[in-house]
Amino acid sequence: DSGVTQTPKHLITATGQRVTLRCSPRSGDLSVYWYQQSLDQGLQFLIHYYNGEERAKGNILERFSAQQFPDLHSELNLSSLELGDSALYFCASSVGSGGAYEQFFGPGTRLTVL
Amino acid sequence: GENVEQHPSTLSVQEGDSAVIKCTYSDSASNYFPWYKQELGKRPQLIIDIRSNVGEKKDQRIAVTLNKTAKHFSLHITETQPEDSAVYFCAASLLRYGKLTFGQGTILTVHP
Repeated sequence: DSGVTQTPKHLITATGQRVTLRCSPRSGDLSVYWYQQSLDQGLQFLIHYYNGEERAKGNILERFSAQQFPDLHSELNLSSLELGDSALYFCASSVGSGGAYEQFFGPGTRLTVL
Repeated sequence: GENVEQHPSTLSVQEGDSAVIKCTYSDSASNYFPWYKQELGKRPQLIIDIRSNVGEKKDQRIAVTLNKTAKHFSLHITETQPEDSAVYFCAASLLRYGKLTFGQGTILTVHP
């Protein structure tokens, strides 16, 4: 157990819908990263927050947005869902910002869009 | 942006053999290279990492080598065991930024 929690574990929804994925970092960690894992794209970085502020964006679609709250938990919002959005979404946390700090991954949320 | 290529995509070895997975990266500014192990249905877990000021790092049966000039790095697992069977991902990033660019992964199968 990495200490990072993600809810829900599984999510099944329909095209066009909107969902929210939640991540709670390890106690004391200020950074939260979101990654998408799919069979065709592999593990891809989406976005990074540090202590409430957005630090970096990767290949995140405009239909996706995220935020980190004052209690440091983070939410990833996915809207106008398409079949291709079906994937495993991981968040990871680290104590600092930057590659010097190990990223601890949560168990992931498996999103299925029908 | 950074691009990481990983080979082979699948690797099958007998228990006790060595396994080598290779990655190349495109951005010469990258200076941090972690390796993650992901067992079926589980989260990626860091197994070893190396920074660009070091050429080699070992941790028991696992070692990573880095060739900055050629922009490639490799994972070496010696005396493989069935529990080493998993998907292994290499990644690259700048120490200044935490964003990881991953390779496509290698499915390692260790046969008893």
